[in-house]
Amino acid sequence: DAKTTQPTSMDCAEGRAANLPCNHSTISGNEYVYWYRQIHSQGPQYIIHGLKNNETNEMASLIITEDRKSSTLILPHATLRDTAVYYCIVFKAGNNRKLIWGLGTSLAVNP
Amino acid sequence: DVKVTQSSRYLVKRTGEKVFLECVQDMDHENMFWYRQDPGLGLRLIYFSYDVKMKEKGDIPEGYSVSREKKERFSLILESASTNQTSMYLCASSAVQGNYGYTFGSGTRLTVV
Repeated sequence: DAKTTQPTSMDCAEGRAANLPCNHSTISGNEYVYWYRQIHSQGPQYIIHGLKNNETNEMASLIITEDRKSSTLILPHATLRDTAVYYCIVFKAGNNRKLIWGLGTSLAVNP
Repeated sequence: DVKVTQSSRYLVKRTGEKVFLECVQDMDHENMFWYRQDPGLGLRLIYFSYDVKMKEKGDIPEGYSVSREKKERFSLILESASTNQTSMYLCASSAVQGNYGYTFGSGTRLTVV
């Protein structure tokens, strides 16, 4: 599975959009981009995923570049409860024991 | 609401004890995983199971074993607990078909004293 690169930490003001980048330059054609977040001392929570088209759900939007080598997770109106570690991973269905979890981006939403 | 349930949120055990961490999922997922998470090291895969009675070692299997007698249940066993096994343990499951990602449990914070 491809490896991802994310900034270690980011800050965002409450009410503003949070844009979290992720590089996945070695992604293969059948791998999806997934985003998870982990609030302190809880298990990671699924946010959104996509293959090559931009996606939106009630939590966030996912923008994937045309060459699929990078993506951006957008939280349109960040709240204090969005303070968490955000993980970007690439993944395909199947027996995916080789999934690599990096250290993610620690997002601090400030009042 | 589909979910993965870990039997204990917090556990304190003594060095040398045999420890069982239980995980149950209600989504009929084929794959189940045990991770440990430590500050600065991220999520590290201990063991993985892709079917009942099937298991594969992950990246850090030493000192651990697993059991999967039923599809919905995946148990992690610390044969003889040691202080370096103090950690957050996370169970997850995923389906073989479809692209629905992983579902995680809430985690078990184990302290070995």
